[in-house]
Amino acid sequence: SYELTQPPSVSVSPGQTASITCSGDNLGEKYACWYQQKSGQSPVLVIYQDRKRPSGIPERFSGSNSGNTATLTISGTQAMDEADYYCQAWDSSTVVFGGGTKLTVL
Amino acid sequence: QVQLQESGPGLVKPSQTLSLTCTVSGGSISSGSFYWSWIRQPAGKGLEWIGRIYISGSTNYNPSLKSRVTISLDTSKNQFSLKLSSVTAADTAVYYCARGPDPIAGYQFYMDVWGKGTTVTVSS
Repeated sequence: SYELTQPPSVSVSPGQTASITCSGDNLGEKYACWYQQKSGQSPVLVIYQDRKRPSGIPERFSGSNSGNTATLTISGTQAMDEADYYCQAWDSSTVVFGGGTKLTVL
Repeated sequence: QVQLQESGPGLVKPSQTLSLTCTVSGGSISSGSFYWSWIRQPAGKGLEWIGRIYISGSTNYNPSLKSRVTISLDTSKNQFSLKLSSVTAADTAVYYCARGPDPIAGYQFYMDVWGKGTTVTVSS
């Protein structure tokens, strides 16, 4: 079965750029999306179709996908961005989630 | 603004069937081109997709759960449901329902509206 791998944790200082990676075999040939999940809340879609932002998602959130890696980039990270982030792809008629990355804003 | 709300028993005994319902408000479950999904998350762990259903009744399930899962639609009540049979403690989790657009471009699927989730504990 297809697998997506994320680093368990990423730390960033306020105002700096955070990058969260998601690796999978030939992931660049699929579309990736990203969800943000704050503590005690349900997930929120922040990026879909590799790089598109849903309405209401700040411009500081961006995405890319090439080769075996999709990347979620948060520019000018704010304290409110501290959350768990999950990548997701579609493979063999199945949703596949990455294991999640805890973003800490120090 | 479409909203989803999960409901069902918070406690299920081992070997029994877990049954949850997701009520859709702010829009018709029959209109538009959307898939309706169930996802779960054990405490402190990651997300696990359970399956989805289309308005046509077509379903896709997580292979690891397929033998125990049934997802169905009730358009008259604007609801869709999850049944998970032969539950064990490993099925204890927060269960979410979510909506996902029928993809126009490419082989993809994502979920753009989520419910708040409901906690289900499997215990005797």
